[in-house]
Amino acid sequence: QVQLQESGPGLVKPSETLSLTCIVSGGSISSFYWSWIRQPPGKGLEWIGFVYYSGSTDYNPSLKSRITISVDTSKNQFSLELRSVTAADTAVYYCARHSASRPLFDYWGQGTLVTVSS
Amino acid sequence: DIVMTQSPDSLAVSLGERATINCKSSQSVLYSSGNQNYLAWYQQKPGQPPKLLIYWASTRESGVPDRFSGSGSGTDFTLTVSSLQAEDVAVYYCQQYYSSPPTFGPGTKVDIK
Repeated sequence: QVQLQESGPGLVKPSETLSLTCIVSGGSISSFYWSWIRQPPGKGLEWIGFVYYSGSTDYNPSLKSRITISVDTSKNQFSLELRSVTAADTAVYYCARHSASRPLFDYWGQGTLVTVSS
Repeated sequence: DIVMTQSPDSLAVSLGERATINCKSSQSVLYSSGNQNYLAWYQQKPGQPPKLLIYWASTRESGVPDRFSGSGSGTDFTLTVSSLQAEDVAVYYCQQYYSSPPTFGPGTKVDIK
């Protein structure tokens, strides 16, 4: 059974960089796409971007200028960096998996709340 | 971006009764060459991540009870819970994966009447 677990600071100061890691266990990171999705408190879901195990990426145009998603296949994990954060970036951040044949999110992490505040 | 809308925003249904949620996309999500609708439904309970229920608009994910069904094509879709159970109280989201960025509907909250 594939499991995903997000980790990273729960509090980030405005204008700084939010950094999160998702560790994948119970399966290989290879041959799948790995996404970050966020959900502001009490609100809906926003896809941030994905990284393929090969390292190729696709980002949401609304966030593209501020994000980098990378993968480390040797550690079976992938990461998110979101720069120049503001209070509007406060959200639960989820990592999730999809495949080329089923480009929908079939496995999700439990999510981690990141609050942007001084 | 493809904009997803859902109706109603919330609904309350008696136990054992039918719940129906509608989802509309701003453009067709039907990939004609494969005749597949790139539309999924998720269920999210409080404090939990979304759980995949339905994909290709009408295919149930493994392990999902058969009281959940999806229908529709093109731009208009429906999620039906045929006989609502207490454990079905949740927010339900539709999502298109026809084009990037994948986008979600705003959600429909389902409660027990």
